[in-house]
Amino acid sequence: QLVLTQSPSASASLGASVKLTCSLSSGHSSYTIAWHQQQPDKGPRYLMKLNSDGSHSKGDGIPDRFSGSSSGAERYLTISSLQSDDEADYYCQTWGTGIHVVFGGGTKLTVL
Amino acid sequence: EVQLVESGGGLVQPGGSLRLSCAASGFTFSSYAFHWVRQAPGKGLEYVSAISYNGGTTYYANSVKGRFTISRDNSKNTLYLQMGSLRADDMAVYYCARSPCGGDCYQDFWGQGTLVTVSS
Repeated sequence: QLVLTQSPSASASLGASVKLTCSLSSGHSSYTIAWHQQQPDKGPRYLMKLNSDGSHSKGDGIPDRFSGSSSGAERYLTISSLQSDDEADYYCQTWGTGIHVVFGGGTKLTVL
Repeated sequence: EVQLVESGGGLVQPGGSLRLSCAASGFTFSSYAFHWVRQAPGKGLEYVSAISYNGGTTYYANSVKGRFTISRDNSKNTLYLQMGSLRADDMAVYYCARSPCGGDCYQDFWGQGTLVTVSS
């Protein structure tokens, strides 16, 4: 069964960097994922599609401060030069034939 | 400007029905698949349903199969979700989202959501 695992929470200081992790379940390490940001009381916003080789394509208007990387079954979202409006929930998501669409549980990022 | 605007949410009794709509603008509606994704209060995102660009293929989560029907009208640039036999655990904000690569794929643009409350 395809499962995405995310830490429930993370925190980092204003101006610092943070690396969020999304772990693919065993046997699914080659899957591409997408990262989405959801600010409080807003709809989600697509950030990027991230491949197993670390290559990624970002959504329109997503600043360079957001980047993605991969290592084995781990997919990462790094946010640098943290700003107050980066405080949000971050969801990873994957998909596949017969699997449809699967979301991780989300990570709540607090900017200190 | 790309826009997805959901409507049709509201209060409905258990066992009742509701139809959600999602009006699209700013892009070629008929070139994209669409998803409905929901979020229960204080919870994460849950995939509900998807439809291919021409409506020929539909997908449903097991939790809504047989109760919900997704459809689209490409002449009106509108996506629909007909919800029936509603239960308390269907209560959520429902988002429509555009997908550039089909029903089994990711979403590259989201609406702001419409709240469905199921209560007697």
